[in-house]
Amino acid sequence: EAQVTQNPRYLITVTGKKLTVTCSQNMNHEYMSWYRQDPGLGLRQIYYSMNVEVTDKGDVPEGYKVSRKEKRNFPLILESPSPNQTSLYFCASSSLGAEAFFGQGTRLTVV
Amino acid sequence: EDQVTQSPEALRLQEGESSSLNCSYTVSGLRGLFWYRQDPGKGPEFLFTLYSAGEEKEKERLKATLTKKESFLHITAPKPEDSATYLCAVPPEGYRDSWGKLQFGAGTQVVVTP
Repeated sequence: EAQVTQNPRYLITVTGKKLTVTCSQNMNHEYMSWYRQDPGLGLRQIYYSMNVEVTDKGDVPEGYKVSRKEKRNFPLILESPSPNQTSLYFCASSSLGAEAFFGQGTRLTVV
Repeated sequence: EDQVTQSPEALRLQEGESSSLNCSYTVSGLRGLFWYRQDPGKGPEFLFTLYSAGEEKEKERLKATLTKKESFLHITAPKPEDSATYLCAVPPEGYRDSWGKLQFGAGTQVVVTP
């Protein structure tokens, strides 16, 4: 089954404690992205990747890091999380010119 | 600069009451427009892709159309299970590789009551 898998689904952490949210896709897609979704602000892109070792900033990259060492994986790293990074996060993947497939989401709370 | 705008923000319909959602875009050389459905707390689910003005696509009670400046999502005789937020997205202008950088509208929240 074609899918994008994010882990964990829910995470509560404390300010400053480094965390990683994993994302994996099984469709051999070139493009992968991370979005955050907040009430009233819609989906905002954090980072995206066009292929292995090629990444670029989205609209809200501050406080986040990504890496794309393998085509199927695109982890999101928060080196020092802060409460304003409390949000619902989605990973997505796509191929050129085609629709994006989204993961189930990760609800992150930073206290 | 926002390149895609959706209206209305929210829509409340009686079951069976047809209506349309609007997605307007400012991208001059549109290469594709996507419609998604999103249920609360879940990832967006793909509905349609439209590539050129005049194109139409249908799926059950939903029909998407595209002009040179906007797209419409028509909901015919909606049922309560059509309640969701509907999002449209376009690859924006002015980026090295815009296919990876989809810009989403804010969405239209649709509630269908029995």
